[in-house]
Amino acid sequence: SYELTQPLSVSVALGQTARITCGGNNIGSKSVHWYQQKPGQAPVLVIYSDSNRPSGIPERFSGSNSGNSATLTISGAQAGDEADYYCQVWDSSWVFGGGTTLTVL
Amino acid sequence: EVQLVESGGGLVQPGGSLRLSCAASGFTFSSNDMHWVRQATGKGPEWVSGIGTAGDTYYIASVKGRFTISRENGRNSLYLQMNSLRAGDTAVYYCARASVGFDYWGQGTLVTVSS
Repeated sequence: SYELTQPLSVSVALGQTARITCGGNNIGSKSVHWYQQKPGQAPVLVIYSDSNRPSGIPERFSGSNSGNSATLTISGAQAGDEADYYCQVWDSSWVFGGGTTLTVL
Repeated sequence: EVQLVESGGGLVQPGGSLRLSCAASGFTFSSNDMHWVRQATGKGPEWVSGIGTAGDTYYIASVKGRFTISRENGRNSLYLQMNSLRAGDTAVYYCARASVGFDYWGQGTLVTVSS
């Protein structure tokens, strides 16, 4: 089965740029979606199809995907961006990454 | 406004059954694939099952033969019949609408399988 690998945690200083990676075999050939989840809440889609933002998601969220790694970038990270982030792809079934906890210092 | 509201969770003994429901509103329910995603405490989301607009169904291997997903477009409702429940099925179960990615999620319903 297809596996997605994410770092357990990423830290970023307030106002700086955070990058969260999602590794998978030839993931660049797949469409990657990213979700933000805050404690006690359902996941929220923040990036779809590699690099597109749903309505209402701030412009500081962006995404890219190439080769064996996809990246979620949060430019000018805010305290409210502290959350768990998950990547997702379709590979015969929907697969989620293990998640990355973002800490804003 | 799109809303998804799950119900039907609870405490059940191993080997027991539960039926989860998801009431949808604010969009044309029949036009979207729908999914169930679960999340155990402290773990990431795990896709469980999906149903297409034509009624085609999909399951993760660990629930095949035990869980059945269905939809009732006239009632704007999604269901998950869960039989032969195991401790490993304990989780919050979310229903989610598929558009590009899963763009709307319900608040979840807790299923606890324990004796």
